[in-house]
Amino acid sequence: DAAVTQKPRYLIKMKGQEAEMKCIPEKGHTAVFWYQQKQSKELKFLIYFQNQQPLDQIDMVKERFSAVCPSSSLCSLGIRTCEAEDSALYLCSSSQSGGGAEQFFGPGTRLTVL
Amino acid sequence: QQKVQQSPESLIVPEGGMASLNCTFSDRNSQYFWWYRQHSGEGPKALMSIFSNGDKKEGRFTAHLNKASLYVSLHIKDSQPSDSALYFCAGDAGAKLTFGGGTRLTVRP
Repeated sequence: DAAVTQKPRYLIKMKGQEAEMKCIPEKGHTAVFWYQQKQSKELKFLIYFQNQQPLDQIDMVKERFSAVCPSSSLCSLGIRTCEAEDSALYLCSSSQSGGGAEQFFGPGTRLTVL
Repeated sequence: QQKVQQSPESLIVPEGGMASLNCTFSDRNSQYFWWYRQHSGEGPKALMSIFSNGDKKEGRFTAHLNKASLYVSLHIKDSQPSDSALYFCAGDAGAKLTFGGGTRLTVRP
């Protein structure tokens, strides 16, 4: 099975603190995605990297998040100033290419903002 | 922007029964439609994709696509307790996926 690794699995932050989570994509995959999932509801797209370059992201990410893929084997998603509404499961996925390819998901980082 | 309506929100079927899940999409730009399954404490895993009108069968799972109606369904035959999970449909527009709200399936032994 494909294995996307995410760390940490659980993260607790106070309101106003910075948070950072990491993702190791499946080896050989060139596309990396981040999604946000609240209360086991739909996954909300956040940002997409192709060959480590950000190609698409929502406004919320531009305004309050920081996301980079410094290498093909590591990506990170950060929140500059955590708010209560950021409490969610953050899922990273990777695929061999962009459109049409299966996305393999990691187990997620569960962020709780107190 | 793509909107995906998924129904039902929850579904209980007896072991050995048939489970049917439905999705409608708002945007004709999606080329591929996916079904993902998420067990508690895990990330979603792809069950199957479909991009041509009609049915696609993989084992106990059958997906149906009607592009004209922007409608996708998933049928699970001979449901097993291990099928109990959260199921999502998703459509891709380019690379990113737009997900439905999910169906929580419970299979009663």
